Amino acid sequence: AQKITQTQPGMFVQEKEAVTLDCTYDTSDQSYGLFWYKQPSSGEMIFLIYQGSYDEQNATEGRYSLNFQKARKSANLVISASQLGDSAMYFCAMREGSTGSYIPTFGRGTSLIVHP
Amino acid sequence: GAVVSQHPSWVICKSGTSVKIECRSLDFQATTMFWYRQFPKQSLMLMATSNEGSKATYEQGVEKDKFLINHASLTLSTLTVTSAHPEDSSFYICSASETGTYNEQFFGPGTRLTVL
Repeated sequence: AQKITQTQPGMFVQEKEAVTLDCTYDTSDQSYGLFWYKQPSSGEMIFLIYQGSYDEQNATEGRYSLNFQKARKSANLVISASQLGDSAMYFCAMREGSTGSYIPTFGRGTSLIVHP
Repeated sequence: GAVVSQHPSWVICKSGTSVKIECRSLDFQATTMFWYRQFPKQSLMLMATSNEGSKATYEQGVEKDKFLINHASLTLSTLTVTSAHPEDSSFYICSASETGTYNEQFFGPGTRLTVL
């Protein structure tokens, strides 16, 4: 079974609107971390936001917020006030602690296109 | 944030030659580094976990004799693609993080390998 599921291969949003990118995860660990990364066409992976499994509040970083619903095992990324520069691939990832090596697992990604 | 560099950023080589890619953590020590491979419009596929001072741990299906990994110091890991063939053409990305944390992985900018 996939550990990280991103069901939206592509999303379109109009500039200045908010958009939610879905991510669900599967783990039996109590301790884990969830991440979102942005990958523009240039290829570099840009860290956006992190949520720890024990964090009670949803993580926020500027225009990015993570809607963490632990019981549902979902960690959706919300981008507010979309900008043209937000067009990129977005990857959800998880690191589990049971093995001690913290090997990260990535979802398939969502391609976001922001249009004027 | 911490910086991870990768060199070269792109390389074109003839079939049958070997190519070495370097990954360096510039301002922190990384006991563990990860090597990924990414095909166009696909997710990152973890190839191996590189551990300083010991042998790398390869993911299932990754040929360790084909993709040689050396982690000689706390700031440098290298990936050598031996006897490269056109099917090895891909985007290779490394990442590093401080040991024992769920915290952010710091990614290198990636290396685009084209084998003619």
